[in-house]
Amino acid sequence: QVQLVQSGAEVKKPGASVKVSCKVFGNTHTKVSIHWVRHSPGKGLEWMGSFDPEDGEFIYAEKFQDRVDLTEDKSTVTSYMQLSNLRSEDTAVYYCARGYCVGGVCYREYFLDYWGQGTLVTVS
Amino acid sequence: SFVLTQPPSLSVAPGQTARITCGGKNVGGRSVHWYQQKPGQAPVLVVHDDSDRPSGVPERFSGSNSGDTATLTITRVEAGDEADYYCQVWDTDSEHYVFGTGTEVTVL
Repeated sequence: QVQLVQSGAEVKKPGASVKVSCKVFGNTHTKVSIHWVRHSPGKGLEWMGSFDPEDGEFIYAEKFQDRVDLTEDKSTVTSYMQLSNLRSEDTAVYYCARGYCVGGVCYREYFLDYWGQGTLVTVS
Repeated sequence: SFVLTQPPSLSVAPGQTARITCGGKNVGGRSVHWYQQKPGQAPVLVVHDDSDRPSGVPERFSGSNSGDTATLTITRVEAGDEADYYCQVWDTDSEHYVFGTGTEVTVL
């Protein structure tokens, strides 16, 4: 059974940075596409960025391009999302999720089949 | 960038059918995925690739996609189906994954 386990809640001051981790357990595929999605209070889901193992590229939502940095540690199957220059409107629950597709090659046509438990980041 | 529009809310009586729409220009030409999110919980995939159900998702959940509208249908609605529902696509033009605006489903 695939499981994504995220790091714990964080409280940060405006202008600071936060780094959230996401460790993958039970994934039998050699390559994993990890996506980051946030859910702000009273708002919808917002895709932030992801890693595509088919071409080794990180892609980012234009809104976050200047402030978010995604990294991967293949040795520990752990992904990281760092968001810098935090502001109050970044207060949200941040999720990692596994991207998957049916068939051999995805060409970025992933759906998100397993999700982490979420990490609450409070900026205050 | 590509926009997916959903009705903000939908109320349905137990045992009835809920139809949640997801509108976007020529969305029928894309693969649409649907997620259910209950308060305080992570989203759960309920339909992928327009109409396929992951294992463990009840047959009461089904999807369709044509023209400018994708639809998630929940038949024989139960109290446990009360949640927010989001559609999602990959937009090749902007190279972004796009979520719909979300629909809050209330079971009366």
